[in-house]
Amino acid sequence: ILNVEQSPQSLHVQEGDSTNFTCSFPSSNFYALHWYRWETAKSPEALFVMTLNGDEKKKGRISATLNTKEGYSYLYIKGSQPEDSATYLCAFTAAGNKLTFGGGTRVLVKP
Amino acid sequence: DTGVSQDPRHKITKRGQNVTFRCDPISEHNRLYWYRQTLGQGPEFLTYFQNEAQLEKSRLLSDRFSAERPKGSFSTLEIQRTEQGDSAMYLCASSPVGILNTGELFFGEGSRLTVL
Repeated sequence: ILNVEQSPQSLHVQEGDSTNFTCSFPSSNFYALHWYRWETAKSPEALFVMTLNGDEKKKGRISATLNTKEGYSYLYIKGSQPEDSATYLCAFTAAGNKLTFGGGTRVLVKP
Repeated sequence: DTGVSQDPRHKITKRGQNVTFRCDPISEHNRLYWYRQTLGQGPEFLTYFQNEAQLEKSRLLSDRFSAERPKGSFSTLEIQRTEQGDSAMYLCASSPVGILNTGELFFGEGSRLTVL
């Protein structure tokens, strides 16, 4: 059984502040690490798919880093806005098939 | 085709009844996945298909659950003799297979099941 852990489970951020949270995953048999954003009443949407150790990806104010040797990834939100409020899910895949998800980090940005 | 669609979006049923959910994936996607998500948890893998073949089914999945994808296009997930513990959001996702495949899943908006 693969364990994908996300921390913290939830966090409140003041508008304009930056924040980050983590995803830990098995370091063996690594294939890819995914980040998804899931807004209430919508479908989860992919943010990043990361495959290489040391990868850094950026989309607007959101960025992510990947360390496959120690089995963790960070997601950063710079200058948080209310529209960033969502659950952020990471998912690990060992063989390019099914994704195993973490429990998510629920982010609430307060105006 | 604008995305993955699921039907119904919401289903309330009494314990012991059977329910069926339908998923229409993005038309050119070969793979189709079913996940279940309960409050406070991440999506839990149930099963996936490549074309019409069911390639993997979670060991945690009860025999009351069955999924089909008879023509390699839409899929159905049936739960027989529902229990209150089956209450969850059932998510469907699809992905292409091949050189352009990044492994990214394209999700539907889910079917929320409430078992009374």
